[in-house]
Amino acid sequence: TQLLEQSPQFLSIQEGENLTVYCNSSSVFSSLQWYRQEPGEGPVLLVTVVTGGEVKKLKRLTFQFGDARKDSSLHITAAQPGDTGLYLCAGNFGNEKLTFGTGTRLTIIP
Amino acid sequence: DSGVTQTPKHLITATGQRVTLRCSPRSGDLSVYWYQQSLDQGLQFLIQYYNGEERAKGNILERFSAQQFPDLHSELNLSSLELGDSALYFCASSVRPGLKAYNEQFFGPGTRLTVL
Repeated sequence: TQLLEQSPQFLSIQEGENLTVYCNSSSVFSSLQWYRQEPGEGPVLLVTVVTGGEVKKLKRLTFQFGDARKDSSLHITAAQPGDTGLYLCAGNFGNEKLTFGTGTRLTIIP
Repeated sequence: DSGVTQTPKHLITATGQRVTLRCSPRSGDLSVYWYQQSLDQGLQFLIQYYNGEERAKGNILERFSAQQFPDLHSELNLSSLELGDSALYFCASSVRPGLKAYNEQFFGPGTRLTVL
């Protein structure tokens, strides 16, 4: 059974600060997605990373895929209140099923 | 808006009852996935259908069943409901397997089920 661990579980920071959240697995991902979910809504796909060492940027968000494809990170620069939400990583392990991490609940304080 | 629709938005029912949740995938997507999200369990994969056929099964209880119809909409049936079934139920859809090298799923807004 593949497990994805996300850390930290909760993060509360001031507006304007930078932060990084992590997603780790003991197994190799064939691909990994990051989603953001707001209360009472469905997860929204932010990015997909496929190649080991890959870095993707989405405005102030930078996503990195580990060289060994077992881990990923999401870095947010100059966090804003609109970044508040639950961040979920989800991995493909060679099939169509997505395995979701436990999530990082991020709160940006104005 | 992901293009995936789910109805109803909210559902309140009693223990022992049976409910049906409905999902319409994005236009062109052939795969539909059902997930359960509760506070203590995170997002749990229940079942996947592709073009009307069951393709993968996750942690789905025997009291739960699903199907995908010829028009590709899907229904999740939950029976003999228990208090612990209270959760958010999400449907997601993706393009057909093999079309992409990786599986991106697009989620609907969910159905919040409350069992009293």
